[in-house]
Amino acid sequence: QKEVEQDPGPLSVPEGAIVSLNCTYSNSAFQYFMWYRQYSRKGPELLMYTYSSGNKEDGRFTAQVDKSSKYISLFIRDSQPSDSATYLCAMSGNQFYFGTGTSLTVIP
Amino acid sequence: GAVVSQHPSWVICKSGTSVKIECRSLDFQATTMFWYRQFPKQSLMLMATSNEGSKATYEQGVEKDKFLINHASLTLSTLTVTSAHPEDSSFYICSVRGDRDRTYEQYFGPGTRLTVT
Repeated sequence: QKEVEQDPGPLSVPEGAIVSLNCTYSNSAFQYFMWYRQYSRKGPELLMYTYSSGNKEDGRFTAQVDKSSKYISLFIRDSQPSDSATYLCAMSGNQFYFGTGTSLTVIP
Repeated sequence: GAVVSQHPSWVICKSGTSVKIECRSLDFQATTMFWYRQFPKQSLMLMATSNEGSKATYEQGVEKDKFLINHASLTLSTLTVTSAHPEDSSFYICSVRGDRDRTYEQYFGPGTRLTVT
């Protein structure tokens, strides 16, 4: 079983839609949960991080962690074409683990 | 967050030659850097963890004699792909780990695209 599971998509939505991206994990020792955005042929950039369960909001982005279900989500409100990218979830305890990434396309 | 640069951004080399990729942490001293490889439409694969002043720790299946890592200073780590072959063609990305109370974060470089002909 992989440490982190993420649906690779691809996911295609119309502009203005709410996007939901998800990851599940198996290691209950993970303490920090991150979301990275990666544009084509670029390095990933950190979008958000959360510690422990709960929600965290930053502009149009909301990160949600449910440690009891070992499930994390990233919601993007009012999606824009510029949000088109691959989104990687990541988790860490003593080591880092990345999901495979979900490819998102927002259609104008 | 940290600013990380990589050089070169794109390199083409002939099979059998060696290629060196540099990763620099521009705004803080990084004791730990990571090297990843990413194939098209796939996720990041950790190759090795580079610790300043000591030998790198390689992930299972990564040949340490083929992928030489040198972390000679707190701001520079290099990855040398020796005797490169076409199957080594990939996107190589380095990252630095956050310091002090932000060790859970990683900051990535822009990546280096290697094409071996």
